[in-house]
Amino acid sequence: EVQLVESGGGLVQPGGSLRLSCVASGFTFSSYWLHWVRQAPGKGLVWVTRINGDGGSTSADAVKGRFTISRDNAKNTLYLQMNSLRAEDTAVYYCARTGLSVASLDYWGQGTLVTVSS
Amino acid sequence: QSALTQPASVSGSPGQSITISCTGTSSDVGGYNYVSWYQQHPGKAPQLMIYDVSNRPSGVSNRFSGSKSGNTASLTISGLQAEDEADYYCTSFTSSHTYVFGTGTKVTVL
Repeated sequence: EVQLVESGGGLVQPGGSLRLSCVASGFTFSSYWLHWVRQAPGKGLVWVTRINGDGGSTSADAVKGRFTISRDNAKNTLYLQMNSLRAEDTAVYYCARTGLSVASLDYWGQGTLVTVSS
Repeated sequence: QSALTQPASVSGSPGQSITISCTGTSSDVGGYNYVSWYQQHPGKAPQLMIYDVSNRPSGVSNRFSGSKSGNTASLTISGLQAEDEADYYCTSFTSSHTYVFGTGTKVTVL
């Protein structure tokens, strides 16, 4: 059974940093593209960033230069390093797997809440 | 990258059909057949319902179907059921090799 489990969320002050993790199981981790998607409270889904199997990545303009996606294929773990956090980064952060096609996110984690506030 | 445009809400009675539109540009929806649709119930993670414009993953009801014309993709739910009440989001691959989600549509079953 495919599972994605996020952790690392919490309360952080503006300008601070946080690292999210997503532990995967039930599939060959290194073969899949992985994404981070966020959802501010009461708002819609917003794509954040994506990484392919060998580490290549793309990101949304809103997080470029502040957020870094990475992966450890030996540990079946996806990361999101978030620096220079702003109030508008407050959201539930989901990790998701690209499965059937380039734009199909076929499995999602349960999400982890990041709150940026003083 | 601006969000794809979806209607804020769509409603229908049980058994009816409804259609949700998703409008982008030639740099995303119109340029690729990489449009997918997600269903999200309150407090839950999104679930993939349609990928590559019109393909259904295994386990998704055939009451859900997708299509595309130009820069607008559509999701149709036939035989509307109470369990279909949820938020729906489209997404597309873009010419920048990024992704963009739609603004989201709340479906209400009357």
